[in-house]
Amino acid sequence: DAGVIQSPRHEVTEMGQEVTLRCKPISGHNSLFWYRQTMMRGLELLIYFNNNVPIDDSGMPEDRFSAKMPNASFSTLKIQPSEPRDSAVYFCASSAGHNQETQYFGPGTRLLVL
Amino acid sequence: ELKVEQNPLFLSMQEGKNYTIYCNYSTTSDRLYWYRQDPGKSLESLFVLLSNGAVKQEGRLMASLDTKARLSTLHITAAVHDLSATYFCAWRDSNYQLIWGAGTKLIIKP
Repeated sequence: DAGVIQSPRHEVTEMGQEVTLRCKPISGHNSLFWYRQTMMRGLELLIYFNNNVPIDDSGMPEDRFSAKMPNASFSTLKIQPSEPRDSAVYFCASSAGHNQETQYFGPGTRLLVL
Repeated sequence: ELKVEQNPLFLSMQEGKNYTIYCNYSTTSDRLYWYRQDPGKSLESLFVLLSNGAVKQEGRLMASLDTKARLSTLHITAAVHDLSATYFCAWRDSNYQLIWGAGTKLIIKP
């Protein structure tokens, strides 16, 4: 198995631009998680999906952030408009579900907003 | 508030020494996870502890769980430089999701 796949691996953009991060979970996993990691705030859960349905988006910072999971093999996290304080590493993780909660993390997307 | 407390948050030690990282959690849970993150890399699962008294070992790392004390420990034996990383604990809450600690950054000097 290829593991969790994220793209792009690095993104540099200017403030105000739209940023879209992509994630392909491990095949057969039914839970998907988006995290943000910074030096100041550590690892933060932004949103998670179960069977493609958003369950808890309380960690999404504000309306500029949105996430979708149109099918079991693909999810996006969008920031529009981006701001310098959004600079972070964004991780996607997936798990097999109930009683199999070990989360498998993707390589992350390093986002820099200038 | 549901939370996980790790200590220490930062640890610098010499090779060959032993040390323990502590993870306290604020409510009952029967499942505790340890992860490792190398600098600039992603998080990798190390251990899943499924019950009170559970102990797991992998090389120089040993993790244990005491659900009554709401405490898990990660013990490092005769540390080597390759174990330098940030270690996270996380426990499973009642919604079957993981609540994460802040991480312990471990630096092992040759």
